[in-house]
Amino acid sequence: ETGVTQSPTHLIKTRGQQVTLRCSSQSGHNTVSWYQQALGQGPQFIFQYYREEENGRGNFPPRFSGLQFPNYSSELNVNALELDDSALYLCASSLDRGSTTEAFFGQGTRLTVV
Amino acid sequence: GESVGLHLPTLSVQEGDNSIINCAYSNSASDYFIWYKQESGKGPQFIIDIRSNMDKRQGQRVTVLLNKTVKHLSLQIAATQPGDSAVYFCAENRGSQGNLIFGKGTKLSVKP
Repeated sequence: ETGVTQSPTHLIKTRGQQVTLRCSSQSGHNTVSWYQQALGQGPQFIFQYYREEENGRGNFPPRFSGLQFPNYSSELNVNALELDDSALYLCASSLDRGSTTEAFFGQGTRLTVV
Repeated sequence: GESVGLHLPTLSVQEGDNSIINCAYSNSASDYFIWYKQESGKGPQFIIDIRSNMDKRQGQRVTVLLNKTVKHLSLQIAATQPGDSAVYFCAENRGSQGNLIFGKGTKLSVKP
């Protein structure tokens, strides 16, 4: 157990809808990163939040947005869902935003867009 | 573009044998590498990490080797067990934001 929890575990949405995924980081961790993992692929970095501010972003369109709260939990929001958004969404928390900091993953949210 | 890649997509070993999973990276500026194990339906599980100022690090039954000259990383699992069956990813941390760059993964299957 990593102490990183994500909800919900599974979700089915219709194309065009909006979705919010949630992540509670490990106690003491102030940095949360979100990743998208398509079937058979490695996780792809979406963005990172550090102390409630976006600290970096991967190659994802603006309809992918996020928030980090004062308790360092985080949300990932995806608007105007597309079929290709179907994937496992992973949250990782780390003690700090540094480049040599261990990142611990949650179990993920399996999103299916139909 | 720059990426972390894996030499073999699948690896099948006999229970009790040693396993070696390889990974190539392309950015010589990368300073931190992590190996993750991912079982079906679960998130990646941290196995072992290594910083660029080291060339070897050992854990429980696992060893990571880093060859910066040829930009190659390997994970050795001693006495492989059925519970080791999973997909293994190497990840490279080279972003200023600390984001990880993953390869596609190697699926390890352990035959009893």
